[in-house]
Amino acid sequence: QVTLRESGPALVKPTQTLTLTCTFSGFSLSTSGMCVSWIRQPPGKALEWLARIDWDDDKYYSTSLKTRLTISKDTSKDQVVLTMTNMDPVDTATYYCARIKASAATFDYWGQGTLVTVSS
Amino acid sequence: DIQMTQSPSSLSASVGDRVTITCRASQSISNYLNWYQQKPAKAPKLLIYAASSLQSGVPSRFSGSGSGTDFTLTISSLQPEDFATYYCQQSYSTPWTFGQGTKVEIK
Repeated sequence: QVTLRESGPALVKPTQTLTLTCTFSGFSLSTSGMCVSWIRQPPGKALEWLARIDWDDDKYYSTSLKTRLTISKDTSKDQVVLTMTNMDPVDTATYYCARIKASAATFDYWGQGTLVTVSS
Repeated sequence: DIQMTQSPSSLSASVGDRVTITCRASQSISNYLNWYQQKPAKAPKLLIYAASSLQSGVPSRFSGSGSGTDFTLTISSLQPEDFATYYCQQSYSTPWTFGQGTKVEIK
């Protein structure tokens, strides 16, 4: 059974760095073809893809956010970490992690999401 | 980046109606197109992958078609539990991108 769970601060101040952790089970990121992504959704708005990390440690980032994002993995802990620097109120959103079904290039399992509010 | 445009942005329909949502890519994406359903305060759920493949466990009233730049999601007979927002997403090239969503509301 595949599960993913996001964790991190619910509130961050402007200019601070956000660190989110995705803890998963039911699959391994050391298995060929496995990938994990981060996606976010501001309140009442559309989904926005942020980053992806692959089993072979290849990494991909949103064009508009790539200077602020870092994605990493710890296969021994079954975790993927996303950091986002210089947080701004417009970054207020629910942040999701999701597994990628590599054979079909799709997000087949999602975490429940974690709401991050950026406010002083 | 590949832009994904959905239409309509919202629609009102009745139970039993046939509903069609379209998604257009700014360049050809072959069949690298997925559809998700999202209900309020819930994570998105995969419905269709590779343009027309039904995800396991998804009712057969959902279907997808298209290739290249134009795609459709069809719900053959709308059920009460289908009122939600639907998103298309391309996985042809990174950065992967989503459409802006189509909200299906009760008429």
